[in-house]
Amino acid sequence: GAGVSQSPRYKVAKRGQDVALRCDPISGHVSLFWYQQALGQGPEFLTYFQNEAQLDKSGLPSDRFFAERPEGSVSTLKIQRTQQEDSAVYLCASSFTGLKEKLFFGSGTQLSVL
Amino acid sequence: KNEVEQSPQNLTAQEGEFITINCSYSVGISALHWLQQHPGGGIVSLFMLSSGKKKHGRLIATINIQEKHSSLHITASHPRDSAVYICAVKKETSGSRLTFGEGTQLTVNP
Repeated sequence: GAGVSQSPRYKVAKRGQDVALRCDPISGHVSLFWYQQALGQGPEFLTYFQNEAQLDKSGLPSDRFFAERPEGSVSTLKIQRTQQEDSAVYLCASSFTGLKEKLFFGSGTQLSVL
Repeated sequence: KNEVEQSPQNLTAQEGEFITINCSYSVGISALHWLQQHPGGGIVSLFMLSSGKKKHGRLIATINIQEKHSSLHITASHPRDSAVYICAVKKETSGSRLTFGEGTQLTVNP
C-alpha cells in the first residue's frame, strides 16, 4: 500500500501472554519509529531504526519490550509477559531519512491486556 | 513543567471561525512538527518547521525560534477539522526522539 500499515489493528491479550505487533513502513523509508500512546496522553518514544540498525532504544520501558527490523523494511515490536500497564496504542511512523522530514504514521495497534 | 506546552487544551468553535492553537517549548530544537489525530488513533503529519511559516490549504503554521513558540492556524474552520492537534519537537540534544505536547482537542460545531 501507499501508507504505513500496522497489524493487528486491535489485540487483546491475557496478562502474561507474549504479543507481536507488526509495522510495514512506506517502501524506501529509511527511518522507522515506534511510539506508545496511553489513553488521553501524547505519544511516548520507544525506539528508532535507521534501516536495520536500532540506533536508539532508550524509550523501551523494560526488558520485556523488544523491537527488530532485520531486513530494513518491516519491523516487529514484541512484548513479553504482558502486564496491564502495557495497554496502550502502539504507533509506528516512518520517514525517508529522519526527523527533519515529514513523518508518516500508521493507524496504530490498540493493545488491551486483561 | 512540560518541555512542550500547548494551549488551549480544549477549544470549541463555530463553523467558519478562525482558529489558533499555540505551542511553547523550553528547550533548543532543530525541528517542530504539527500533527493531527482523529478519533481511533490515526495520526497525520501536517507540517514540519524549522523556521518561518508554512501554508497548506486552510492551514498555516508559524514558528518563532527566538521566542520558542509556534502557532497553528485554521482559517474558515469546518466540522471535519475536529480532532486533536499535537505539537512535537526534535530537541537539539535528543538524537532520534520527538518530545510531544499533550495535544489540543478541537471541536468545530456546524
